[in-house]
Amino acid sequence: QVKLLQSGAALVKPGDSVKMSCKASGYAFTDYIIHWVKQSHGKSLEWIGYINPYSGGTNYNEKFKSKASLTVDKSSSTAYMEFSRLTSEDSAIYYCARWSYGGYGAYWGQGTLVTVSS
Amino acid sequence: DTVLTQSPALTVSPGERITISCRASETVSTLVHWYQQKPGQQPTLLIYLASNLDSGVPARFSGSGSGTDFTLTIDPVEADDNATYYCQQSWNDPFTFGSGTKLEIK
Repeated sequence: QVKLLQSGAALVKPGDSVKMSCKASGYAFTDYIIHWVKQSHGKSLEWIGYINPYSGGTNYNEKFKSKASLTVDKSSSTAYMEFSRLTSEDSAIYYCARWSYGGYGAYWGQGTLVTVSS
Repeated sequence: DTVLTQSPALTVSPGERITISCRASETVSTLVHWYQQKPGQQPTLLIYLASNLDSGVPARFSGSGSGTDFTLTIDPVEADDNATYYCQQSWNDPFTFGSGTKLEIK
């Protein structure tokens, strides 16, 4: 079955960067686009962007363009998101999701909690 | 960005029929999808493309709408439906989500 396994929680200092992973299994990794979504504590969901594992092509929400960087490693079926110049506003749970062609997240990872604190 | 406005929190009893609304600030055709999120869990897909039930989702859930107005219906509500429900649109870039409707079962 389709699974997306995300890396564990991270505690990082303001100004640092964090790189989280999303390992896919149960399907052909390059056949589906991977999206990333942010959920601040107790709040709604924000779409960060996506990466096409086949081509490496990306599309970012303008709000996160200077903050997020999406990459993939096809050999290990893993997608990565690096978030840079972290502030307290970046403390959140970050989800990866396998999007279907109609534009919706059919499968979601369990989330990575990022806490930014000195 | 396309803003999705959802109805406020609801408190209902098991067995009732409820509707949760999602209104878009501009047309999104039928590219609206609904998710359920229980505390401490990731979102799970319920309805895609406005009215299509995802695999394994109980038939108590249904969706409707097009253009700017969409509805998620649960009939009848069960205790396990205690969760927050989000709509999401994929017609306009960037993709956006509604603010969520928290459903509490008495």
